[in-house]
Amino acid sequence: EAGVTQFPSHSVIEKGQTVTLRCDPISGHDNLYWYRRVMGKEIKFLLHFVKESKQDESGMPNNRFLAERTGGTYSTLKVQPAELEDSGVYFCASSQGRYQPQHFGDGTRLSIL
Amino acid sequence: AQKVTQAQTEISVVEKEDVTLDCVYETRDTTYYLFWYKQPPSGELVFLIRRNSFDEQNEISGRYSWNFQKSTSSFNFTITASQVVDSAVYFCALSEGLTGANNLFFGTGTRLTVIP
Repeated sequence: EAGVTQFPSHSVIEKGQTVTLRCDPISGHDNLYWYRRVMGKEIKFLLHFVKESKQDESGMPNNRFLAERTGGTYSTLKVQPAELEDSGVYFCASSQGRYQPQHFGDGTRLSIL
Repeated sequence: AQKVTQAQTEISVVEKEDVTLDCVYETRDTTYYLFWYKQPPSGELVFLIRRNSFDEQNEISGRYSWNFQKSTSSFNFTITASQVVDSAVYFCALSEGLTGANNLFFGTGTRLTVIP
């Protein structure tokens, strides 16, 4: 079974540009989560999808971040415009049901110059 | 206030030594779940264990064991006879609520280096 897949593995962009991160969850997993870790800090929750619906987006830092999960399969996280403080590692996780643990991808390392 | 505290930032041990990674959590919920994840140098977060707040039984899986004590709000992780492949960053995490499907609160991680 393929794990959670994230693209790209690393992205370097300039401040003010737009970047879109993609997450493909494990097949059949309805729950999809986004987290990020900025330098030296703990991994923090961004949002949670159940199928295509946003269950909890309380962790989204501001309106420069837009997450979508059309069709309830893969998800994208767009940052527009990117700021220096957005640099970090963005993790995606998925779980099969409400009582199952979250399985994480390798993360996307985002560097804003 | 941070919900999960991993006071040990870095630990180094010599191969075959035992090592315990500490995790202290804080929550007002009576029902919650605790997790440990391993992040090897390759970067992915690997799920190791999940415990719910009603089950204080210690768990052993091979060289790994976990000690959950509600009285001290701790969920410590011990690796017995450590190996070089155990070198990684280990994260403790908390999920509040009935299902464990809610968002995870992570500690800052403990970097374990096992020296051959």
